[in-house]
Amino acid sequence: AQTVTQSQPEMSVQEAETVTLSCTYDTSESNYYLFWYKQPPSRQMILVIRQEAYKQQNATENRFSVNFQKAAKSFSLKISDSQLGDTAMYFCAFTRLLGGTSYGKLTFGQGTILTVHP
Amino acid sequence: SAVISQKPSRDICQRGTSLTIQCQVDSQVTMMFWYRQQPGQSLTLIATANQGSEATYESGFVIDKFPISRPNLTFSTLTVSNMSPEDSSIYLCSVDPQTYGYTFGSGTRLTVV
Repeated sequence: AQTVTQSQPEMSVQEAETVTLSCTYDTSESNYYLFWYKQPPSRQMILVIRQEAYKQQNATENRFSVNFQKAAKSFSLKISDSQLGDTAMYFCAFTRLLGGTSYGKLTFGQGTILTVHP
Repeated sequence: SAVISQKPSRDICQRGTSLTIQCQVDSQVTMMFWYRQQPGQSLTLIATANQGSEATYESGFVIDKFPISRPNLTFSTLTVSNMSPEDSSIYLCSVDPQTYGYTFGSGTRLTVV
């Protein structure tokens, strides 16, 4: 079974600064995907970024980037130029590729509450 | 990516009653997932629903308590039966990735009194 661990229950950062959220996972699978989701107080789950395990290059989406260390099973999220709207709960999540384009269920970490201060 | 309409957005229910949550997707999807998020907690998968077959439940969740229907490739319902205050949670549906990532409904905030 897969496990996902987020060791930082809460983080805070000043507006315009950079913050890194940590995530580690455990799996014996070789084909899998990792995700970061954001959940603001509205409770809507918003996809921030994803990483395919077979890709060595770290994914980047505007101000969001990941540091994917496959051997160490680490998948951290870096948020640059933090904005007040980044305040939310962030979840790291894992899924394995079942075959073709068929995906399995998502396994989530415990979440990190990020607060951006003005 | 798919767009999901989830209803109701919130409800307050009496203990012992049942609530049915609906998720409508704007495109055909193979798999739909139902999650529970207890207050301040992460998301936990309740079951996976494929069209035309019985839902697959995760450990700790049973069909009698959380019956699921999946009548076609765009719709599913989750019923929370014989509710108790411990069932007070956010319930979310999700569908398998179409292009980039899993899409989620907006969630149903359930309070049992």
